[in-house]
Amino acid sequence: DAGVIQSPRHEVTEMGQEVTLRCKPISGHNSLFWYRQTMMRGLELLIYFNNNVPIDDSGMPEDRFSAKMPNASFSTLKIQPSEPRDSAVYFCASGDRGKRQPQHFGDGTRLSIL
Amino acid sequence: DQQVKQNSPSLSVQEGRISILNCDYTNSMFDYFLWYKKYPAEGPTFLISISSIKDKNEDGRFTVFLNKSAKHLSLHIVPSQPGDSAVYFCAASDVYGGTSYGKLTFGQGTILTVHP
Repeated sequence: DAGVIQSPRHEVTEMGQEVTLRCKPISGHNSLFWYRQTMMRGLELLIYFNNNVPIDDSGMPEDRFSAKMPNASFSTLKIQPSEPRDSAVYFCASGDRGKRQPQHFGDGTRLSIL
Repeated sequence: DQQVKQNSPSLSVQEGRISILNCDYTNSMFDYFLWYKKYPAEGPTFLISISSIKDKNEDGRFTVFLNKSAKHLSLHIVPSQPGDSAVYFCAASDVYGGTSYGKLTFGQGTILTVHP
């Protein structure tokens, strides 16, 4: 049973570049979440989707960040332009809104902006 | 405004003894609480949960206690094993709150080290 799959696992790029993080949720899950983990702020929710529709994006730090979920099996988090302070580990998680079950996390993308 | 707090950044325990990890919350709307375990270079893994209608939930070596009046929960691991060494995150949600179903608020995490 495949878990949440994130790609790439590591990304190093120069500031100003566009960064795209990808996530494939667990098949059958209808909720998808993007989190960011930093030393200063810990693990914080950026945005989440229910049935591919963004429900709450209040955690998205700036307009430079955008997220899409074109279908039930794929989501992207894009940063454009990227800045050094965006360096963090970004996690994607998925869950089943109809069941009282925990969110399952991917292994994250470690992003370094130079 | 940190709604979920884990005040102990780290905890060191001898193998076979009990590990107690603590978590406090401020939002009285939270009614579903979870503990996640995280190893380096991996995503958080669900460990155990409890809803606000209960004050205790047990799963093998892991027990979570909830004290609603104190807005406090704790995770007990008995007996502790070296493989339990990881970062433990407390998380909370207002599952029954309607619009924010599924939104988890995490604590800062506690690093547990279990010595052989």
